[in-house]
Amino acid sequence: GQQVMQIPQYQHVQEGEDFTTYCNSSTTLSNIQWYKQRPGGHPVFLIQLVKSGEVKKQKRLTFQFGEAKKNSSLHITATQTTDVGTYFCAGRAGSYQLTFGKGTKLSVIP
Amino acid sequence: NAGVTQTPKFRVLKTGQSMTLLCAQDMNHEYMYWYRQDPGMGLRLIHYSVGEGTTAKGEVPDGYNVSRLKKQNFLLGLESAAPSQTSVYFCASRGTAYNEQFFGPGTRLTVL
Repeated sequence: GQQVMQIPQYQHVQEGEDFTTYCNSSTTLSNIQWYKQRPGGHPVFLIQLVKSGEVKKQKRLTFQFGEAKKNSSLHITATQTTDVGTYFCAGRAGSYQLTFGKGTKLSVIP
Repeated sequence: NAGVTQTPKFRVLKTGQSMTLLCAQDMNHEYMYWYRQDPGMGLRLIHYSVGEGTTAKGEVPDGYNVSRLKKQNFLLGLESAAPSQTSVYFCASRGTAYNEQFFGPGTRLTVL
């Protein structure tokens, strides 16, 4: 079945440093979504990427979808303590289901 | 709108006991999902439903049953709980703008 790999599993950064998490799928995706889960909370939708090579920005967050539509990344510029949480990618390959990566847990040291 | 709600928030069961987790959404979404989240394992799909009266198996369906008798409700049942089912359970419904998933607050279940 479809697999979505996400690295790294954990990332500790000093406040102000940049952060990147990477997502790779075993199959070509129709789209990819990103979610954020704050500690003790539930996943919250951030964005969806659909087109090959697509780049979207949300303030300090930059999302990319690879040309082959099998990989994606989320980059945060100048992290803040409010960025703390686990970031999940989730890929869809044409079905009703999303396949979630295992997530990257971000810690920000003030 | 309340969005997606789940009851109960916490539950402790003994091995072999049964229980039902209730998920409700007031957004008129067709698709609903049940996930479990375990440390280091991400979100794994248990069962899902594409509409009232329909259900389908996800990645990890064993030991669970579901029902979708009403569009707004999706029930997850454990007939004979096992310690391996200790987890946080999230329900979600699928929106129509981006097919994004709206998650409930979760149920933390411990099976002793």
